[in-house]
Amino acid sequence: GAGVSQTPSNKVTEKGKYVELRCDPISGHTALYWYRQSLGQGPEFLIYFQGTGAADDSGLPNDRFFAVRPEGSVSTLKIQRTERGDSAVYLCASSSGQGVEAFFGQGTRLTVV
Amino acid sequence: GDSVTQMEGPVTLSEEAFLTINCTYTATGYPSLFWYVQYPGEGLQLLLKATKADDKGSNKGFEATYRKETTSFHLEKGSVQVSDSAVYFCALSGGGNKLTFGTGTQLKVEL
Repeated sequence: GAGVSQTPSNKVTEKGKYVELRCDPISGHTALYWYRQSLGQGPEFLIYFQGTGAADDSGLPNDRFFAVRPEGSVSTLKIQRTERGDSAVYLCASSSGQGVEAFFGQGTRLTVV
Repeated sequence: GDSVTQMEGPVTLSEEAFLTINCTYTATGYPSLFWYVQYPGEGLQLLLKATKADDKGSNKGFEATYRKETTSFHLEKGSVQVSDSAVYFCALSGGGNKLTFGTGTQLKVEL
């Protein structure tokens, strides 16, 4: 596609439920990033993939958060036992390599009620 | 750890006014510095960047100079337009691949 695509654009879920957020990067981009942006804050790094492997997952806040990229393209961020504090906009970005501009998607707004 | 501090908003200016948004950083080593912009209803876009000390990034009339001695990367534009209204984020990349962002500064430009 022309840009990074994230689905759904909005997700409302009940506390304790499991959610999956999807990211389709720009075709051919090997690097993929997940960030979380809380209201009034800048994006915070969660995880970085180079190809299929998670090269840096130091930003994942706890073991309820997990992300995969099985074929080196689409990625899914998975959140178990959601909490109200998980409510935020989850951003995905991709780039063609290290040190190269990252292109961001429009994000998924997650609301946990 | 790495951190970025930028001036709080909102910043409200009249069209054709001069803009400065301050940004300072803390990082080990020699980070690359960025300004990203988020227009209403759109995703984050890279506005400009600088990869080493004294480099000047520029784009769309915006400029920022990498000042190592003051650990700053202030964003400037000589004459803002209504279409520049957006949220501006200063960010750094400290040698790894992740970006560390500031909290963002909302700019409102009025006629």
